[in-house]
Amino acid sequence: DTGVSQDPRHKITKRGQNVTFRCDPISEHNRLYWYRQTLGQGPEFLTYFQNEAQLEKSRLLSDRFSAERPKGSFSTLEIQRTEQGDSAMYLCASHGSGGAGEQFFGPGTRLTVL
Amino acid sequence: GENVEQHPSTLSVQEGDSAVIKCTYSDSASNYFPWYKQELGKRPQLIIDIRSNVGEKKDQRIAVTLNKTAKHFSLHITETQPEDSAVYFCAASKAKGGSEKLVFGKGTKLTVNP
Repeated sequence: DTGVSQDPRHKITKRGQNVTFRCDPISEHNRLYWYRQTLGQGPEFLTYFQNEAQLEKSRLLSDRFSAERPKGSFSTLEIQRTEQGDSAMYLCASHGSGGAGEQFFGPGTRLTVL
Repeated sequence: GENVEQHPSTLSVQEGDSAVIKCTYSDSASNYFPWYKQELGKRPQLIIDIRSNVGEKKDQRIAVTLNKTAKHFSLHITETQPEDSAVYFCAASKAKGGSEKLVFGKGTKLTVNP
């Protein structure tokens, strides 16, 4: 499968625990995005990488959230001290350079915080 | 920042009828408008997009229209089929410069009744 992949697909954790999600974008895509989607809502932008540089972060991204893309390929999103309000689908998307174009989404990681 | 409003939130049609979903955006600098279809438990998938230098675009049974002056755009699906049932999201983006992040509407749940 040459599309965007995410791991794990589901994560159940207890409040206060740390979790880390991984995203593997389409290999030639240098732009990578993280979005969060809650039930009945559209995806909301969290953060954006161009290659390894994190160039934009949403105000939604509290200091408990950190994202990295160390070699400009895969990315990780870590949530520390999880809260019940963090329960959501975390979606990763990528697209190549060259102006506006389709963002290809991964299948998402569904996080449930108990 | 950009704000995208989407209506209706739910839409039920008979198979073979047309469906229209409307979105408005607030930032006149937005110039890329994709539509995504999301089936239950699956990733958002692009079905059609339009750029601000075009007023209308059609792909088989799907068309999108854009009115830059009024800052609204619409999705038209003709000859609906049960497999069109899904949640549809509109989005807006400022292409060229910046993150080109997508700002999504809240979605329209389309049900096509056989």
